[in-house]
Amino acid sequence: AQRVTQPEKLLSVFKGAPVELKCNYSYSGSPELFWYVQYSRQRLQLLLRHISRESIKGFTADLNKGETSFHLKKPFAQEEDSAMYYCALGRGTGGYNKLIFGAGTRLAVHP
Amino acid sequence: ETGVTQSPTHLIKTRGQQVTLRCSSQSGHNTVSWYQQALGQGPQFIFQYYREEENGRGNFPPRFSGLQFPNYSSELNVNALELDDSALYLCASSLAGNHNEQFFGPGTRLTVL
Repeated sequence: AQRVTQPEKLLSVFKGAPVELKCNYSYSGSPELFWYVQYSRQRLQLLLRHISRESIKGFTADLNKGETSFHLKKPFAQEEDSAMYYCALGRGTGGYNKLIFGAGTRLAVHP
Repeated sequence: ETGVTQSPTHLIKTRGQQVTLRCSSQSGHNTVSWYQQALGQGPQFIFQYYREEENGRGNFPPRFSGLQFPNYSSELNVNALELDDSALYLCASSLAGNHNEQFFGPGTRLTVL
């Protein structure tokens, strides 16, 4: 069964500290993986996707098929990074693209 | 460019009632997906509509149904409401295709008493 697991409900760090939000997935095919973010009082928005291999707001994520992981990393956390982060697995063929979300990790960055 | 909008913002219903939630997709998007987000959980896929037809469904009973209109807006209907249907309902629009980003609306908070 397809599943996304985010083991931490809350990650609390100080400003300037490194951040790693964990995501593990279960999927038999070639996965498409995403990180979505929800800032306070804002809607859910895409942060990055593995096929783009880009860095957004200093965040990167590498797909590790051997460990079935897609952890989100940032070397130096900022207070404005405080938000709810969701890892999502995209699946579908022929234009049918549903997202399977993890339960989310709340990142709190303290001054 | 207009983003995804949803109405109403909040809704309170009682068990057994029926509810209709509405979504206007982002300009140019032809695909709409609906998700249910229970408190403390990630969004769960309900179904997706493309060209006015259901194009994929998650693990939700038939009392969850939907429509998509020629202008790509969409409705989610839930019959015989149960307490567990209390959640945030999110609509997301996108262009058809596996790699296309889904843009989310602000959601409708449904409370079933």
